[in-house]
Amino acid sequence: KAGVTQTPRYLIKTRGQQVTLSCSPISGHRSVSWYQQTPGQGLQFLFEYFSETQRNKGNFPGRFSGRQFSNSRSEMNVSTLELGDSALYLCASRPQGTNYGYTFGSGTRLTVV
Amino acid sequence: AQKVTQAQTEISVVEKEDVTLDCVYETRDTTYYLFWYKQPPSGELVFLIRRNSFDEQNEISGRYSWNFQKSTSSFNFTITASQVVDSAVYFCALSEPGNTPLVFGKGTRLSVIA
Repeated sequence: KAGVTQTPRYLIKTRGQQVTLSCSPISGHRSVSWYQQTPGQGLQFLFEYFSETQRNKGNFPGRFSGRQFSNSRSEMNVSTLELGDSALYLCASRPQGTNYGYTFGSGTRLTVV
Repeated sequence: AQKVTQAQTEISVVEKEDVTLDCVYETRDTTYYLFWYKQPPSGELVFLIRRNSFDEQNEISGRYSWNFQKSTSSFNFTITASQVVDSAVYFCALSEPGNTPLVFGKGTRLSVIA
């Protein structure tokens, strides 16, 4: 069974640009969550999608957005990039139902210069 | 509000030593779920264990064991006879019932030296 796949693995962008990250969940998993990991703040929840609807949202500015497609694949977008957006972005999926263990992808490391 | 505290930022041990990683949590719910994840240098978070608040039995899986104590709001993780491959960052996490996100501690970086 394939795991959670995130693309690309690495990305370098310039301040002010925008970026789109992609996540393909495990087959059959309809819930996809995104987390930002930085050395200072640790792992912070961005948002969760379930059946193409945003179900939860963390405390991030509107520059961070996401969406989910009918095949459960998800994308997150960051507009007007800032240096502080440099981070490891992790995607996780889980089966329907609550509180099962999440399966995480390997992440996309974004560097903003 | 939920909170997870991992007071140990970094731990360094010599191979074959036992090591315990501490996790203290805060929640107002009587039902909640606790998790441990391992993050090797590759970056992926690897699920290790999930425990619900009604199950206080300690668990052992090979060299790993977990001690859940509701009285002290702790969910500690012990690695017995540590190996170099155990070197990683370990995260404790908490979620409450419903479709609530995981709340992570800051992590403990474990270095096992040969």
